[in-house]
Amino acid sequence: GESVGLHLPTLSVQEGDNSIINCAYSNSASDYFIWYKQESGKGPQFIIDIRSNMDKRQGQRVTVLLNKTVKHLSLQIAATQPGDSAVYFCAENSKRVANAGGTSYGKLTFGQGTILTVHP
Amino acid sequence: ETGVTQTPRHLVMGMTNKKSLKCEQHLGHNAMYWYKQSAKKPLELMFVYNFKEQTENNSVPSRFSPECPNSSHLFLHLHTLQPEDSALYLCASSQFQGPNSPLHFGNGTRLTVT
Repeated sequence: GESVGLHLPTLSVQEGDNSIINCAYSNSASDYFIWYKQESGKGPQFIIDIRSNMDKRQGQRVTVLLNKTVKHLSLQIAATQPGDSAVYFCAENSKRVANAGGTSYGKLTFGQGTILTVHP
Repeated sequence: ETGVTQTPRHLVMGMTNKKSLKCEQHLGHNAMYWYKQSAKKPLELMFVYNFKEQTENNSVPSRFSPECPNSSHLFLHLHTLQPEDSALYLCASSQFQGPNSPLHFGNGTRLTVT
């Protein structure tokens, strides 16, 4: 699994299998989490997000699970396809900063990523 | 099409050159960001602009100079760079007012400093 700031793990699966990519986060105050996908030669692409008042959120073929007790986030991809091969990043909104107008915003902290390879 | 366009896609420059990276967002967002992505390291935030005002400079060396003339355009001016500055430079935008709004990234400029 992935831990924000550590090594770059890899996951290799067969086409049609389900994939699970894990992420451990460190800040218990984080209240918003995002998964990004980055294909070779491209920038990170938003996949799905989840707020800390939820445990699970589903998208198209993807599900994000949040376990606040152990500070763990996972991304499940159903029926993985070769086009899903990419680096997957989790990000947490761990720091609040106030701008001059008094509106707070969060700063995203990114993990190092997990390389997913899907074999046909 | 990501809605965030970066040019050039690739740039090779010598340490004495001056060059600029350009970013344009077509999403109607009011915040723009520069990130640096190096091999085997997490994305590093460099600068944040909210409504054209710089709100974050994440201890970036002065050889990197950002410019945000309006909410849709962002530049990164480069001068006297070092080889270790070689990386993928990513621009992103978001709706700043929401603390929980995702970043939308461009495809980056691959910079090589020789």
